[in-house]
Amino acid sequence: EPEVTQTPSHQVTQMGQEVILRCVPISNHLYFYWYRQILGQKVEFLVSFYNNEISEKSEIFDDQFSVERPDGSNFTLKIRSTKLEDSAMYFCASSSGTGKNIQYFGAGTRLSVL
Amino acid sequence: AQKVTQAQTEISVVEKEDVTLDCVYETRDTTYYLFWYKQPPSGELVFLIRRNSFDEQNEISGRYSWNFQKSTSSFNFTITASQVVDSAVYFCALGGEYGNKLVFGAGTILRVKS
Repeated sequence: EPEVTQTPSHQVTQMGQEVILRCVPISNHLYFYWYRQILGQKVEFLVSFYNNEISEKSEIFDDQFSVERPDGSNFTLKIRSTKLEDSAMYFCASSSGTGKNIQYFGAGTRLSVL
Repeated sequence: AQKVTQAQTEISVVEKEDVTLDCVYETRDTTYYLFWYKQPPSGELVFLIRRNSFDEQNEISGRYSWNFQKSTSSFNFTITASQVVDSAVYFCALGGEYGNKLVFGAGTILRVKS
């Protein structure tokens, strides 16, 4: 069964460093998303991406965040200068844009900012 | 604005008991979609069900059933004869048309004891 793949599963970084979280969405999907979940809290939307551009972003997704689809398979989230409060689980999701258009999630990347 | 409320923070049951997880939503959209996701201790988000706003039929899948009532803006989830493996955090979510973000509730922690 096709699945969304995220790497790494756990990323530890120092405050102020740049990190790139990587995702391989399901191959025939057209819509891509990033969400985050601070430990013990709800899942929050960050950004959606379609046709090589951002279609919607939340107020959390400020100038330190960026997304990119550098090739036909990867979808990345970059945090330019990490802060302590960026520590969270980051989930990538994708949906087909047809039929039931269900968002399928990856297993997440746990980001720890020290 | 869209909002999802899961008033039950945590529920504990003994194996084989039935349990219902409540979800109440708010939206001004006439077309919308409701979802349930399961987050087991391993952390991934597992899709369980999607229901659109035009379909109020209840759905049953094995031990799982869902009751969608538009009149009360509720989309409740019942697990019959609960098992220890059902222990997880369950999230209700609300979404719009293709590519729209999901708005998640705070989640309900379900603990099933043997």
